[in-house]
Amino acid sequence: EAQVTQNPRYLITVTGKKLTVTCSQNMNHEYMSWYRQDPGLGLRQIYYSMNVEVTDKGDVPEGYKVSRKEKRNFPLILESPSPNQTSLYFCASSKRQGAIETQYFGPGTRLLVL
Amino acid sequence: EDQVTQSPEALRLQEGESSSLNCSYTVSGLRGLFWYRQDPGKGPEFLFTLYSAGEEKEKERLKATLTKKESFLHITAPKPEDSATYLCAVTPAGFQKLVFGTGTRLLVSP
Repeated sequence: EAQVTQNPRYLITVTGKKLTVTCSQNMNHEYMSWYRQDPGLGLRQIYYSMNVEVTDKGDVPEGYKVSRKEKRNFPLILESPSPNQTSLYFCASSKRQGAIETQYFGPGTRLLVL
Repeated sequence: EDQVTQSPEALRLQEGESSSLNCSYTVSGLRGLFWYRQDPGKGPEFLFTLYSAGEEKEKERLKATLTKKESFLHITAPKPEDSATYLCAVTPAGFQKLVFGTGTRLLVSP
C-alpha cells in the first residue's frame, strides 16, 4: 500500500531533551516536507526537501533540523525542544520536485513538550 | 505576503442541504490550488487540484471551482459522512511550498 508513515504517533517529552520524529514514504517520491498544525494558524511548512541531500527552510524552521540521506526517509529533529513546539506534525511527499504536485500526508505526530 | 482565507470557519448542515465553502487567496503568481479533507486525528486527504481560472472538478457530491481571486467547494446533498474539516491551499509561483488556510469545519446532521 502506498503510504507515508510517521513515528511515533504520540510523544510527551520535557524541555531540552532531543528527539527525532521519523517519516518514511514507499512511493519513490522526490519531494518531502514537514508541517506543523496549530489551532487558528493552520498548517505551516517547517522544512522541505526536493531530493536526497537537498533541503531548505519553510516558513517556521526555527528550532528544527532535517536531513535527507535516503530518498524514502526525511526525519525531523528537535535538538532542544521547548513548550512552544507542542503541536501536531505532518510529513508529506509528492512525486516530483515542487509543491505543484499533489502532496500525500502522513497520519501525524502529536507532540507535547512539558 | 501570500495568504489564504477560508470561510465560514464552521458550517452546520442538515443532510441533503447543499452549500458552498469559500477560499479566497492572495498569492504571487498562482501555480495551483488544492482542496484537502481532514478527519479528526488524521492527515489531510487530497481532493482536488485546480490550475487556472475557470477550471472545475467534481468528485461524488463535491465540486471545486476556481476564479482569479477565490475558489469554491460546492457540496450537493451532503451526507453525515461528509463531516470533516476542508482545507484549501495554494502554491505560489517559484516556491516549493503549500500555503494553507485555516479550514472550514463542516458538520452534517442526519
